[in-house]
Amino acid sequence: DARVTQTPRHKVTEMGQEVTMRCQPILGHNTVFWYRQTMMQGLELLAYFRNRAPLDDSGMPKDRFSAEMPDATLATLKIQPSEPRDSAVYFCASGPSVIGADTQYFGPGTRLTVL
Amino acid sequence: GQSLEQPSEVTAVEGAIVQINCTYQTSGFYGLSWYQQHDGGAPTFLSYNALDGLEETGRFSSFLSRSDSYGYLLLQELQMKDSASYFCAVYRTDKLIFGTGTRLQVFP
Repeated sequence: DARVTQTPRHKVTEMGQEVTMRCQPILGHNTVFWYRQTMMQGLELLAYFRNRAPLDDSGMPKDRFSAEMPDATLATLKIQPSEPRDSAVYFCASGPSVIGADTQYFGPGTRLTVL
Repeated sequence: GQSLEQPSEVTAVEGAIVQINCTYQTSGFYGLSWYQQHDGGAPTFLSYNALDGLEETGRFSSFLSRSDSYGYLLLQELQMKDSASYFCAVYRTDKLIFGTGTRLQVFP
């Protein structure tokens, strides 16, 4: 049963610390998305990649956030330095190469708390 | 701009039928999707409308009217396990733009 995996599942850190979240997309999927979910803002798209190339990161605060795909099996989202307002659940999702609306499979999320 | 509006909360009893509406102000999208998310869980795909009209998948149906900028998710024979948040999303190029979400509470 193929699924998207994310680590860590939970992260508590102090303001100013670096946070790295990792995602392993479903094998064979070539599109990877990072979302952030909060009660106030809902589900926001931060960035996405196709074939490891960043296509859109307009939803991401550039000064502190960075997203990369060092290889086809790993996507990372880094926050440096972290701030309390970054507290949220961060979801990674992946999709196969065929374009279709039902092609995003979400990981379980990383719940980040910045104190 | 792009925005999708949904009611924040809907309540119903087991066995009932409930409709969750989604109105949008966007253009040039391929279709309208619906996702379900249980508390503490991840969004999971429910349905997709590429064309106007009704799509049925078991107890769930989804409807799209592009001329009215409107869609809805219809849940029939409600069960307690249907208590969750439901999000509509428009599919543009390679990405989804999500609505504000509707929290459905099903009571016995």
